[in-house]
Amino acid sequence: QKEVEQNSGPLSVPEGAIASLNCTYSDRVSQSFFWYRQYSGKSPELIMSIYSNGDKEDGRFTAQLNKASQYVSLLIRDSQPSDSATYLCAVKTRGSQGNLIFGKGTKLSVKP
Amino acid sequence: GAGVSQSPRYKVAKRGQDVALRCDPISGHVSLFWYQQALGQGPEFLTYFQNEAQLDKSGLPSDRFFAERPEGSVSTLKIQRTQQEDSAVYLCASAKLPKASGANVLTFGAGSRLTVL
Repeated sequence: QKEVEQNSGPLSVPEGAIASLNCTYSDRVSQSFFWYRQYSGKSPELIMSIYSNGDKEDGRFTAQLNKASQYVSLLIRDSQPSDSATYLCAVKTRGSQGNLIFGKGTKLSVKP
Repeated sequence: GAGVSQSPRYKVAKRGQDVALRCDPISGHVSLFWYQQALGQGPEFLTYFQNEAQLDKSGLPSDRFFAERPEGSVSTLKIQRTQQEDSAVYLCASAKLPKASGANVLTFGAGSRLTVL
């Protein structure tokens, strides 16, 4: 089992809808969780970080963390075509000696 | 500099050639990471520097891969006797804090795309 799992998609949503991206991780003692957005051919850029259980909102983005279920998600409200990208979940796990472990990413396509 | 700068952006090598990839991190950033990203995959950790010290090289796939950061700023990733399976984008990231800090945020460079023929 990979340490960080994501559905590779593609996830297709209409413009204006809510996009829901999910990620599970295997190391129960993980402390830090990040969502990166990566446009095709570009480098990953940080969107959200979350460290404690619950929701964290930043504009149209909401990160949700449930450590008991080892689950972290990203909601994108009012999705725009410019949100079309691959979304990478990254977790700092105990087993990784403090390194960020990335999932494979979920490709999101927002249709106008 | 304002961001993480990597060069070359694109490199084509014949199998067996040596390549060197350069990373210029954000000024003052303590941590520097190298990641390898194959097509359709997430970045995979290669190695980590805290200033000039290479504290973690557990992700380097073979002894053909070597990295250095001699003065604690610019870093070079060298791949000797390249193989086709080395074809990937090599991403460099830097962070202000040591990697053990939970709040450490990585800023990535644009990457160096290596194609081995």
